Amino acid sequence: SQKIEQNSEALNIQEGKTATLTCNYTNYSPAYLQWYRQDPGRGPVFLLLIRENEKEKRKERLKVTFDTTLKQSLFHITASQPADSATYLCALILSGNTPLVFGKGTRLSVIA
Amino acid sequence: DVKVTQSSRYLVKRTGEKVFLECVQDMDHENMFWYRQDPGLGLRLIYFSYDVKMKEKGDIPEGYSVSREKKERFSLILESASTNQTSMYLCASSSLRTTRDTQYFGPGTRLTVL
Repeated sequence: SQKIEQNSEALNIQEGKTATLTCNYTNYSPAYLQWYRQDPGRGPVFLLLIRENEKEKRKERLKVTFDTTLKQSLFHITASQPADSATYLCALILSGNTPLVFGKGTRLSVIA
Repeated sequence: DVKVTQSSRYLVKRTGEKVFLECVQDMDHENMFWYRQDPGLGLRLIYFSYDVKMKEKGDIPEGYSVSREKKERFSLILESASTNQTSMYLCASSSLRTTRDTQYFGPGTRLTVL
C-alpha cells in the first residue's frame, strides 16, 4: 500500500543545534517533494520544493535532501531558534495533475 | 502575494444544521482544495476542483459536498452537520502552470458542531 510517513510526531531540540526531520514514502514515485511549515491555528506555508533529480536544496538556514533510492527526504534547520518551533509537513507531488500527498507532520520544539 | 481567504475563523453550529464554508483566492489559480485537519490524523483531503463547475472526491468526501460556480470561489457544504465533523477546515489553491502545484492555504476555519 502507499504510505508517507514522518517518523517523529514530535522533536525537541536545543537552541543552536541542527534539527533533522525525516520523511519516508512507500509505493509512490514523486516528481517533486515539498516541505511546509504550520504554526498552531494557521494554514501550512510553503518552504521548499526539491525535484526528483536534485540531491539537495538550500534556503538560508534550511536544507532539504531527496534520495529517490531510499525513498526519503531529510529536512534540516541549522542554528535552530525558538522561532523555528512549528509543525513541519512534507508533501509529495506525483506526476500528472493529482493532488499532493501530505505527511502527518512533525512538531518541532526548539528550547532556549 | 497569493491570498486565500476563508469566510470565518471560528464557527459554532448545531447538529443537523446546514453549514457553508466559503473560500476565495485572488491569484487566478485553477485548482482549489478542501481539507480537514485533526490531531494525529494530519491533513485529509475532502474535495478538490481543477476548474469551474468541476469537482472530484478526495479521501473523505462522505457528509460533504462542494460548489465551484466561479474560478476564485470554492464552497464546502455540510448538508447536515454532525459532531464528528468538528474539526479545523483548510482551503488551498494552486496552479500547475505557475506554482508547480505549490499549495497556498487559507487561515482555516475551526468548526465546532454541538
